[in-house]
Amino acid sequence: AQSVTQLGSHVSVSEGALVLLRCNYSSSVPPYLFWYVQYPNQGLQLLLKYTSAATLVKGINGFEAEFKKSETSFHLTKPSAHMSDAAEYFCAVSDTGGFKTIFGAGTRLFVKA
Amino acid sequence: GAVVSQHPSWVICKSGTSVKIECRSLDFQATTMFWYRQFPKQSLMLMATSNEGSKATYEQGVEKDKFLINHASLTLSTLTVTSAHPEDSSFYICSARWDSNNYGYTFGSGTRLTVV
Repeated sequence: AQSVTQLGSHVSVSEGALVLLRCNYSSSVPPYLFWYVQYPNQGLQLLLKYTSAATLVKGINGFEAEFKKSETSFHLTKPSAHMSDAAEYFCAVSDTGGFKTIFGAGTRLFVKA
Repeated sequence: GAVVSQHPSWVICKSGTSVKIECRSLDFQATTMFWYRQFPKQSLMLMATSNEGSKATYEQGVEKDKFLINHASLTLSTLTVTSAHPEDSSFYICSARWDSNNYGYTFGSGTRLTVV
């Protein structure tokens, strides 16, 4: 069975500061990992995904994540936070068949001016 | 490209009535669509996998007779909440896989259902 754990339901950073959202996964097969962002009352938008290619994945809006198998982690980072980054972020894992995606509990990012 | 349109974006209905939510892939064919439910400040929970031309596959604990899913064409899947009750109030989101080789999923904008 696959699962995802997001450490910290809330993260608060100052504008311009580093953003780090943590995600650890559990999977019995090589995982496919995703980060999504959700703004209030909206669907999810894909930020980036790891599908067994490069371990450092660059996504949209300046976000990137690094797949670390030894740590079973896929943390999301952004060097400099913008106010527009304030949203809910979900880490997700999918099996190799790609037919089922399991989401983490989400982390709400607050950005202070 | 790879846009999924979900309609309505919000709906209020009375207890005991049924509500239909539509999920359309606008510029691609989606043989498989997924329906999720999201409670306030919680994550998305997969309800069912909708397969074109066949019966949906429901996750454990999801009532098949309560949440009717129809995927009659390659671009349309519908979720009908039958005999809705206040506890069915939630945010429902559909998604479709548009890139089978690269695990590209796209999500609808969601439907806020409130049952009064």
